[in-house]
Amino acid sequence: QKEVEQNSGPLSVPEGAIASLNCTYSDRGSQSFFWYRQYSGKSPELIMSIYSNGDKEDGRFTAQLNKASQYVSLLIRDSQPSDSATYLCAVKRTGGFKTIFGAGTRLFVKA
Amino acid sequence: DAGVTQSPTHLIKTRGQQVTLRCSPKSGHDTVSWYQQALGQGPQFIFQYYEEEERQRGNFPDRFSGHQFPNYSSELNVNALLLGDSALYLCASSPGTGPTDTQYFGPGTRLTVL
Repeated sequence: QKEVEQNSGPLSVPEGAIASLNCTYSDRGSQSFFWYRQYSGKSPELIMSIYSNGDKEDGRFTAQLNKASQYVSLLIRDSQPSDSATYLCAVKRTGGFKTIFGAGTRLFVKA
Repeated sequence: DAGVTQSPTHLIKTRGQQVTLRCSPKSGHDTVSWYQQALGQGPQFIFQYYEEEERQRGNFPDRFSGHQFPNYSSELNVNALLLGDSALYLCASSPGTGPTDTQYFGPGTRLTVL
């Protein structure tokens, strides 16, 4: 079982729709959760971080965390073609130093 | 305020050679982590440096070594290069090692091993 699992996609949504990206993790000691966006040929860019159960909203982005189910998701409202990228879920355990990344989900937003 | 910088941008080496990659952290950051990202994969943690010491290491062989300097900049060295070492090498800096200390990535170094 991979430590952080994501559907590889591609996930294709029309412009203006809601894109829903999901991630599960195996370590119950995980404390910090991150979503990064990575454009082709570029480095990852942090979109959201979340540390407690529930929802966290930032503009068009909402991160959701359910530690009991070991599940974290990212919703992108009013998706734009510029949102087309690979979205990486990342997890850090309590007291740990390393961040573990999933393989990423490719998102395509069709104009 | 300069972000994380890395050099060189691209590098081509042959099997068996050695390579050194460099990273300067974002201003105010004292912690540097290195990642290897193969095509189509997420970044894999190599190691983290804080106060010039290696704090934690991922599942990488001893051919991968590093160093952090007093000004917090860092180097990643890879000896006896293999074809499988071809990847994007990412440096990330953070203001500390705590759970909420956000990592910022540099642009990466693309290493090709022939």
